[in-house]
Amino acid sequence: SSELTQDPAVSVALGQTVRITCQGDSLRSYYASWYQQKPGQAPVLVIYGKNNRPSGIPDRFSGSSSGNTASLTITGAQAEDEADYYCNSRDSSGNHLNVVFGGGTKLTVL
Amino acid sequence: QVQLVQSGAEVKKPGASVKVSCKASGYTFTSYYMHWVRQAPGQGLEWMGIINPSGGSTSYAQKFQGRVTMTRDTSTSTVYMELSSLRSEDTAVYYCAREMGTTTPYYMDVWGKGTTVTVSS
Repeated sequence: SSELTQDPAVSVALGQTVRITCQGDSLRSYYASWYQQKPGQAPVLVIYGKNNRPSGIPDRFSGSSSGNTASLTITGAQAEDEADYYCNSRDSSGNHLNVVFGGGTKLTVL
Repeated sequence: QVQLVQSGAEVKKPGASVKVSCKASGYTFTSYYMHWVRQAPGQGLEWMGIINPSGGSTSYAQKFQGRVTMTRDTSTSTVYMELSSLRSEDTAVYYCAREMGTTTPYYMDVWGKGTTVTVSS
């Protein structure tokens, strides 16, 4: 099966911009979707498709993709954005119903 | 509103089985696929499998093949995930999450709150 690779940890100063990346072969075939997870809570979808935000997600969250890399950008990070972020996509090898998750990135807002 | 309500926490002994339920409401049950994702303590998200509530077809992660069974009951809009031959490493929070599934892009837009399964002798 495919793999998605994320940096384990990233930090950003309050109000600055941070990019979280996700790499994997499956991203050449499928868009990544991005999930925010705070301690003790279920994941929440923040970005999907080319660059779509579900209702209620602030517009400081955006997504992009190039080749085998997808990125989640937070422009003007806020304290409440401190969380774990996961990417996922369909698996481009084998059964295309299968899904693969990245290992997650812990975002610290300084 | 759209909701996925999961069953309560479970404590099981090694070798036993556990069956977790996820009851959907607020949308047409058969129009969305359902995924199961788990998270061990302090670890990341791990995809377990997917079920199409419309016909009941499933696909499981290779890691869980032979140990996991996903089923659905359309009369109650509920999906189930049963994991057998439990071991301590199966201690985790188990989530259900829906996905439109039939068109790209694919994404899990609604998640249950999770069910904690503890495997301990």
